Amino acid sequence: AQTVTQSQPEMSVQEAETVTLSCTYDTSENNYYLFWYKQPPSRQMILVIRQEAYKQQNATENRFSVNFQKAAKSFSLKISDSQLGDTAMYFCAFMILSGYALNFGKGTSLLVTP
Amino acid sequence: KAGVTQTPRYLIKTRGQQVTLSCSPISGHRSVSWYQQTPGQGLQFLFEYFSETQRNKGNFPGRFSGRQFSNSRSEMNVSTLELGDSALYLCASSLLWHYPYEQYFGPGTRLTVT
Repeated sequence: AQTVTQSQPEMSVQEAETVTLSCTYDTSENNYYLFWYKQPPSRQMILVIRQEAYKQQNATENRFSVNFQKAAKSFSLKISDSQLGDTAMYFCAFMILSGYALNFGKGTSLLVTP
Repeated sequence: KAGVTQTPRYLIKTRGQQVTLSCSPISGHRSVSWYQQTPGQGLQFLFEYFSETQRNKGNFPGRFSGRQFSNSRSEMNVSTLELGDSALYLCASSLLWHYPYEQYFGPGTRLTVT
């Protein structure tokens, strides 16, 4: 069974600061993708960043970057220069290549304060 | 390009009734997935369709079913509704063979069962 664990139910960060959201996962598969999704209060789920498990280089998208540690099955998200609009629920997820299904963690609620 | 659309956005049904939810994927996307989101269970995969074929199904009772049409639009049906079926139902589409595991979500259908 594939599981995703986000150990921080809630986090808070001040505007312009940096915050890291943690995620660990468990799978016996070798080929998979990892994702961070953001769900603001409007409820529209938005893809933040994607990481292919076969790539050693950590993915980066503007202010968002990941720290992917395959051996440790860890996939944390770093948000730099936090903005008020980053306030949202953040979900870590992975998908094995043959499954076509995203396995989500329970989410981390991030609040960015002025 | 228009995003994933879901109709209706809100729905109130009575226990025992059945309901059909609709999803129109992004133009050109051929894979459609459905997820159920509840406060208790989080995000759970329901099923995925590609070219009118169900390729994967989550651990849900047979009351939950779906289908995909030749234009890639998808519907999901829940029969004999139970109070526990109250949830946000999210549809996601993806474009196979190009970042194939990147799913784009619709705004969801909020189903309330009374």
